[in-house]
Amino acid sequence: EVQLVESGGGLVQPGGSLRVSCAASGHTFKIFSMNWVRQAPGKGLEWISYINKNGSATYYADSVKGRFTISRDNAKNLLYLQMNSLRVDDTAVYYCARGGYCTASSCFTGVPYMDVWGKGTRVAVS
Amino acid sequence: QSALTQPASVSGSPGQSITISCTGTRSDVGAYNYVAWYQQHPDKAPKLMIYNVTTRPSGVSHRFSGSKSGNTASLTISGLQAEDEADYYCTSYTTSSTVIFGGGTKLTVL
Repeated sequence: EVQLVESGGGLVQPGGSLRVSCAASGHTFKIFSMNWVRQAPGKGLEWISYINKNGSATYYADSVKGRFTISRDNAKNLLYLQMNSLRVDDTAVYYCARGGYCTASSCFTGVPYMDVWGKGTRVAVS
Repeated sequence: QSALTQPASVSGSPGQSITISCTGTRSDVGAYNYVAWYQQHPDKAPKLMIYNVTTRPSGVSHRFSGSKSGNTASLTISGLQAEDEADYYCTSYTTSSTVIFGGGTKLTVL
């Protein structure tokens, strides 16, 4: 079964740092791009970051650019989000999501869709 | 960049059809056919329902369909069922190589 499990969330003070992780299993992690998406309490979804399959390309939403860093370790099937200079409005559930989609015969990984999601990890900045 | 514009809520009775709109700009929805729709039930992770504007992933009901005209994409759900009650989000790839979500639409099945 394809699975993504986030961890590392918690309570942090404004201005602090936190690193959340996402462990992938059940698929060939290294061939897929990955994303982080967050959802503030009672609010909608917000895409915040993307990393390609080998880590050579990363993109960020303006709201986190310069403060957050996405990275991955393909040998360990792990995705990371390093969050610095945290603000109260960064409080959210953080989801990792696999980039791409698969049909019965093929997987397409260079497309801006998210076909497998974790259950999320909660980050509270207060 | 501002979120794509969706109605905050829509409703329909079982068996009816509803359509959710998603309006962007020439820099996102109007620029590419990289529009997707996600369904999210309360306290659950989102689920991909439509990609490439019109394509359903395997396992998604044929009652869900997508379309696009200019800067506006749409999701239509036909034959509404109770389990369709959820939040729906559109997304689009942008000319800045980012992804943008819509603000979300709460679907109520009456």
